[in-house]
Amino acid sequence: DADVTQTPRNRITKTGKRIMLECSQTKGHDRMYWYRQDPGLGLQLIYYSFDVKDINKGEISDGYSVSRQAQAKFSLSLESAIPNQTALYFCATSDASGGAINEQFFGPGTRLTVL
Amino acid sequence: QKEVEQDPGPLSVPEGAIVSLNCTYSNSAFQYFMWYRQYSRKGPELLMYTYSSGNKEDGRFTAQVDKSSKYISLFIRDSQPSDSATYLCAMSLQGAQKLVFGQGTRLTINP
Repeated sequence: DADVTQTPRNRITKTGKRIMLECSQTKGHDRMYWYRQDPGLGLQLIYYSFDVKDINKGEISDGYSVSRQAQAKFSLSLESAIPNQTALYFCATSDASGGAINEQFFGPGTRLTVL
Repeated sequence: QKEVEQDPGPLSVPEGAIVSLNCTYSNSAFQYFMWYRQYSRKGPELLMYTYSSGNKEDGRFTAQVDKSSKYISLFIRDSQPSDSATYLCAMSLQGAQKLVFGQGTRLTINP
């Protein structure tokens, strides 16, 4: 979905390096999310933010941090990357007024490999 | 034990077949049940959703929820090669803003 963009799309890095993944959206949504996807494990929530001053941990936040720089921007950082953080990372957004279903709109993903 | 279980497959069927995809869950408080479709090298997109129990039909797709068995299904009729994708079930509580996803089932429809 072109309304949610992620950079970079692919990244290879080494153990111990600091990595930042960026997400931008033009949908005007308040809510933003970071997930990781691993084969056989589905989507796991890392962090989520309901507005610029609201940051919440998800189910697998250890080893990650986030920054909500603006309504439209939500960054995910790996302070010291390790090989088991190799995964596909997705950013998603949702509209607070979007009804009970809370449809989430996903970016195209960032494939991260930690050697 | 995950809250939502889904067989990751892969599942491969011939074109025109009826496909059944399923998820089980353990939290009886889930009220909203969704199916997301994810094409290769893309993010997931919402395909269908249902509230509480019952069926919902949209073209060739039918979503079914059986709350008594904690079991949901997605049926695809007259399957097409363009239906080849990973299908993820997702669920949420009433008023909750987080989704709980299944592992996803990778489906291939062979021409």
